Amino acid sequence: EIVMTQSPATLSVSPGERATLSCRASQSVTSNLAWYRQKPGQAPRLLIYGASIRATGIPARFSGSGSGTEFTLTISSLQSQDFAVYYCQQYNNWPRTFGQGTKVEIK
Amino acid sequence: EAQLAESGGGLVKPGGSLRLSCAASGFTFRGYSMNWVRQAPGKGLEWVSSISGSSSYIYYADSVKGRFTISRDNAKNSLYLQMNSLRAEDTAVYYCARDEVGVGNWFDPWGQGTLVTVSS
Repeated sequence: EIVMTQSPATLSVSPGERATLSCRASQSVTSNLAWYRQKPGQAPRLLIYGASIRATGIPARFSGSGSGTEFTLTISSLQSQDFAVYYCQQYNNWPRTFGQGTKVEIK
Repeated sequence: EAQLAESGGGLVKPGGSLRLSCAASGFTFRGYSMNWVRQAPGKGLEWVSSISGSSSYIYYADSVKGRFTISRDNAKNSLYLQMNSLRAEDTAVYYCARDEVGVGNWFDPWGQGTLVTVSS
């Protein structure tokens, strides 16, 4: 099983600032990686797939990068709705696995 | 707009059974693979199971293999999860989610979830 490790566990950021979230895979997942945002009390929402492709309707302030084992999600200017938990997920191998999440909170 | 709505959650005793349903609308259901993902209270996301559009390909997490069965009825635009031999550690919100491409790849959209509580 591929283990996905996200860092940091919690990120404190001021509105309008940049946030950089990391995701590491225990073995290569090539570019088969997705990112999701989960607001409190809501279902997750797809942000990025293919490591760097924004999903339909996702604003340009979200960008993904990386391949192999190291990935990054960058939010260029945090809006109020972006304070949430973010998960990465690999779909290169079975079983599909998620990271433990990074909580982005207001500084 | 693609929409998913889960139902069937509730309180069940350890060792009991429950069947979850997911009603799909706004897209051609038979053309997409579907998935179940769960989230224990206060915890992260855990993939549970995936099924292809024709039900030809089915995958399970080891934690549920042999106890849970995923199925679908394309005529009814519905996805199911039959859960047997339930354990306390199966307590979670269960989400159904659609694959955009392939089987068990990236999930979009998700339903609102249904809570399953396993407790005596």
